[in-house]
Amino acid sequence: GGIITQTPKFLIGQEGQKLTLKCQQNFNHDTMYWYRQDSGKGLRLIYYSITENDLQKGDLSEGYDASREKKSSFSLTVTSAQKNEMAVFLCASSIGGQGSNERLFFGHGTKLSVL
Amino acid sequence: TQTVSQSDAHVTVFEGDSVELRCNYSYGGSIYLSWYIQHHGHGLQFLLKYYSGNPVVQGVNGFEAEFSKSDSSFHLRKASVHWSDSAVYFCAVSLRNNNNAPRFGAGTKLTVKP
Repeated sequence: GGIITQTPKFLIGQEGQKLTLKCQQNFNHDTMYWYRQDSGKGLRLIYYSITENDLQKGDLSEGYDASREKKSSFSLTVTSAQKNEMAVFLCASSIGGQGSNERLFFGHGTKLSVL
Repeated sequence: TQTVSQSDAHVTVFEGDSVELRCNYSYGGSIYLSWYIQHHGHGLQFLLKYYSGNPVVQGVNGFEAEFSKSDSSFHLRKASVHWSDSAVYFCAVSLRNNNNAPRFGAGTKLTVKP
């Protein structure tokens, strides 16, 4: 079996700060995703990547950058943290390919708090 | 873009009861539907998916879901719940085209009382 590792588990930032979240997977999956989870709002897609060096914008990409440096890693940058922002960022991966019918495997999340 | 609606934010039942968690989607094209479970403090775990064929799909731990094109629904059911089923359940929909990412509903928090 494989695993998805998100670092850090907890991230505390200051307003206006640039913050980077990292995600590594050893499934050898092609596709990776970043979702934001807010209480009562479910998961919202920020970015996804179907292969190394590919980036696809999701529904919530404004205010974020992403980078797929290699097949196993996908990082997310909050370009300017908002005061009192609090959310959990979930990374996921899937085999990918035609039709997107493959199941997603999730990491445990990075919890962001902005002071 | 496809959207998913989970009408119940919270559902509370007793152990041994049956439960149905509702999911409705809005998209006219061909789609895939999935359910995921999230225990407190953890990431999501896959439960089951509908791709084609038999509209009733079986998942892990006695869960099943039924696809209805006429109702635009994919409700999750379990005949007899256990306290360990307490968790948040998410419905997800993906478009049947190249490399589309799943969109998730807001989730339903299921509480199973002893």
